[in-house]
Amino acid sequence: DAGVIQSPRHEVTEMGQEVTLRCKPISGHDYLFWYRQTMMRGLELLIYFNNNVPIDDSGMPEDRFSAKMPNASFSTLKIQPSEPRDSAVYFCASREAGAYEQYFGPGTRLTVT
Amino acid sequence: AQSVTQLGSHVSVSEGALVLLRCNYSSSVPPYLFWYVQYPNQGLQLLLKYTTGATLVKGINGFEAEFKKSETSFHLTKPSAHMSDAAEYFCAVSDPLRGGGGFKTIFGAGTRLFVKA
Repeated sequence: DAGVIQSPRHEVTEMGQEVTLRCKPISGHDYLFWYRQTMMRGLELLIYFNNNVPIDDSGMPEDRFSAKMPNASFSTLKIQPSEPRDSAVYFCASREAGAYEQYFGPGTRLTVT
Repeated sequence: AQSVTQLGSHVSVSEGALVLLRCNYSSSVPPYLFWYVQYPNQGLQLLLKYTTGATLVKGINGFEAEFKKSETSFHLTKPSAHMSDAAEYFCAVSDPLRGGGGFKTIFGAGTRLFVKA
């Protein structure tokens, strides 16, 4: 398996623009997690899905953030409109039900100017 | 609520010296405990985990950690540091999901390990 795939790896956008980050989890994994990593706040869990259903989005910072998982092999995290304080590395991770280990993607480095 | 505290945001050791990264946890239920490592410009990867059974667990790259319930600790050690160990290390604890079944993982703030030649 290729592991968790994220795209794009880098995104630079201007304030106010819509940003869409994409994730393909490992095939057969039931859980999908979106994290945000910054120097100031560390690694924050934004939202997670179980079998494509959002379970807990309490970590989503504002209504500007939304996430979807239309099928077992694809998820998106959207920011609209984007702001400079959204600049961070966004990670997607997946895990198989009954397993302990989370597998992380390489991350998307987002810069909002 | 489950939480993790990593003592020291930065640790510096000489090559060949002992590595000790400290982690204390808080959990209302018997925890699963993890150490993940992050190399520059990469995602996190699992070093080792404690679920049940033997309290001394061994992981990849010569690392090990000991679960001490009485001290609520899960410190990470390696007898002899190598330059390639320079990375950021995250301690993590399981947080059971509501409704039973499964858990989410709560990560500590991370400790950056520097290895001097």
